[in-house]
Amino acid sequence: SQTIHQWPATLVQPVGSPLSLECTVEGTSNPNLYWYRQAAGRGLQLLFYSVGIGQISSEVPQNLSASRPQDRQFILSSKKLLLSDSGFYLCAWSRDWVETQYFGPGTRLLVL
Amino acid sequence: DAKTTQPPSMDCAEGRAANLPCNHSTISGNEYVYWYRQIHSQGPQYIIHGLKNNETNEMASLIITEDRKSSTLILPHATLRDTAVYYCIVRPPMNTGFQKLVFGTGTRLLVSP
Repeated sequence: SQTIHQWPATLVQPVGSPLSLECTVEGTSNPNLYWYRQAAGRGLQLLFYSVGIGQISSEVPQNLSASRPQDRQFILSSKKLLLSDSGFYLCAWSRDWVETQYFGPGTRLLVL
Repeated sequence: DAKTTQPPSMDCAEGRAANLPCNHSTISGNEYVYWYRQIHSQGPQYIIHGLKNNETNEMASLIITEDRKSSTLILPHATLRDTAVYYCIVRPPMNTGFQKLVFGTGTRLLVSP
């Protein structure tokens, strides 16, 4: 069966510090991968998606970037965090565009 | 993307059926209806999806009206662990390449003893 991991589970970072969140998927190959952000009390916002290694599409302009160095690894980064980057970050995978997306446990980020 | 409308909150007694409605009056003929739920501080969990016919799995049943303008997610015997926010999502046509899932604010279901 497939599993998706995210770490860390929680993170408190000062404004201006860098960020690196990692997501890995097990039990499948060449998945589509997604990064979402959920602000407090809000719905999910798609940030990035990837169809393969090195292929990243951005949905909204922002202070964040994404990379996919390996088939089942998806990384969310920032060089300098802003207060507005606080939120719940979720990674998801699917077999292809038409298939169901499955979400990881999430990383809760608090920027102070 | 077709929009969905859900009540912001619902209550249900433990052991009773929870019926969560969703309106999607602008849905097109080849768009699927998906349901996810999100338990507090966890990632969304896929529940079920359907196109035209009613669907049932080990978690829930999905009833889609004949005109497809609304649907109901049914949890037949709600437990305290079913307390969560439930999202109804209309999935864009499958043959048009990537289309993002649009999560609204969902229905907050509270199951009480």
